[in-house]
Amino acid sequence: DQQVKQNSPSLSVQEGRISILNCDYTNSMFDYFLWYKKYPAEGPTFLISISSIKDKNEDGRFTVFLNKSAKHLSLHIVPSQPGDSAVYFCAASRYYTGANSKLTFGKGITLSVRP
Amino acid sequence: DAGVIQSPRHEVTEMGQEVTLRCKPISGHDYLFWYRQTMMRGLELLIYFNNNVPIDDSGMPEDRFSAKMPNASFSTLKIQPSEPRDSAVYFCASRHSWGILNTEAFFGQGTRLTVV
Repeated sequence: DQQVKQNSPSLSVQEGRISILNCDYTNSMFDYFLWYKKYPAEGPTFLISISSIKDKNEDGRFTVFLNKSAKHLSLHIVPSQPGDSAVYFCAASRYYTGANSKLTFGKGITLSVRP
Repeated sequence: DAGVIQSPRHEVTEMGQEVTLRCKPISGHDYLFWYRQTMMRGLELLIYFNNNVPIDDSGMPEDRFSAKMPNASFSTLKIQPSEPRDSAVYFCASRHSWGILNTEAFFGQGTRLTVV
């Protein structure tokens, strides 16, 4: 049972345009969400996060939006650059420590940014 | 800090052999996670530890898999006996908690396991 879903396996965008990567979750106990980027032959690296007390978090070209009622979050990359080409994983966790502090990942989306 | 260190980077072994993957988490981190990445299932959580104690091993596929964390700076994931379907990239990750708050996890570079 996939509790974190990234339904689109791939996305291709033109350099300079916006990339929008979507993620849905089913477990209403999740209240902390993260995006990771992964290049081939490397481990995933943390990109940006958001807790459920916010609906938007911005860091440079990267913005994450959270819609709690729809159990949906999205990552916006503006403007997209060829170096952004990678696999992007959405992950979810509890914000507070204690029981169920595990980090659950989606299957990932392969982003290709065309020059 | 050198980050999360995994060894070996690559492992090729014959079916039936024992395989041991190793991980050194970032110093001071109190959570350690083992993940497996495959094309079909993406990043699956196998097991995680908090303060060296296994908390949730529900993702461990079967009894052939075992994990230990004898101290705060070392963990192993063992597969005995190994099978071709165990071929995957295995990642170790660690995170710390700021008081009662969880934070992001940091990953090692992974071990690519091939069982022939």
